[in-house]
Amino acid sequence: DQQVKQNSPSLSVQEGRISILNCDYTNSMFDYFLWYKKYPAEGPTFLISISSIKDKNEDGRFTVFLNKSAKHLSLHIVPSQPGDSAVYFCAPEGRFGAGTRLTVKP
Amino acid sequence: ETGVTQTPRHLVMGMTNKKSLKCEQHLGHNAMYWYKQSAKKPLELMFVYSLEERVENNSVPSRFSPECPNSSHLFLHLHTLQPEDSALYLCASSQVVAGVQFFGPGTRLTVL
Repeated sequence: DQQVKQNSPSLSVQEGRISILNCDYTNSMFDYFLWYKKYPAEGPTFLISISSIKDKNEDGRFTVFLNKSAKHLSLHIVPSQPGDSAVYFCAPEGRFGAGTRLTVKP
Repeated sequence: ETGVTQTPRHLVMGMTNKKSLKCEQHLGHNAMYWYKQSAKKPLELMFVYSLEERVENNSVPSRFSPECPNSSHLFLHLHTLQPEDSALYLCASSQVVAGVQFFGPGTRLTVL
């Protein structure tokens, strides 16, 4: 969906370091932003969300930041673990981006 | 059974066959979705149903025909498919449209 862009198809980080996944969107009417995680041969699973009235939401090692004026959000994972290796989708109101494949190296 | 289930998990069909994919959700959700995931392509939203009414149809060819007989079941009827239709077809449900979606495991479809 061209309304949602994840410009980095892949990202590789070392275990213990921070992973930052970015997402840009065009529709200023989006109110609710979700991140999903997908392992091979499985359906995506919900990870974390943020509503447009907030600029940050934290859940354990995962934090999502929202910059409404820039129409940009990012997912931070710290510390990154090998089990975090998966494809991450940004999905404002169910509009999925192309995904970013994260590889966390031991 | 809990969550979202899809049957069959794998399907191989010829271009002249007619087959159906089935999705069932046991979560009491009101919205259901069909997605297509082709190799090395983004997840493509195909159809959205809310309270058994189709609310979105994203320019999907007519050889794909959805059916939602009730809020727990969603079907995708397939006929005269093309090899390029080979993909992973994912079903999802959510409490409301645009809410958090719960996905099924998908049906891996191969069209010969």
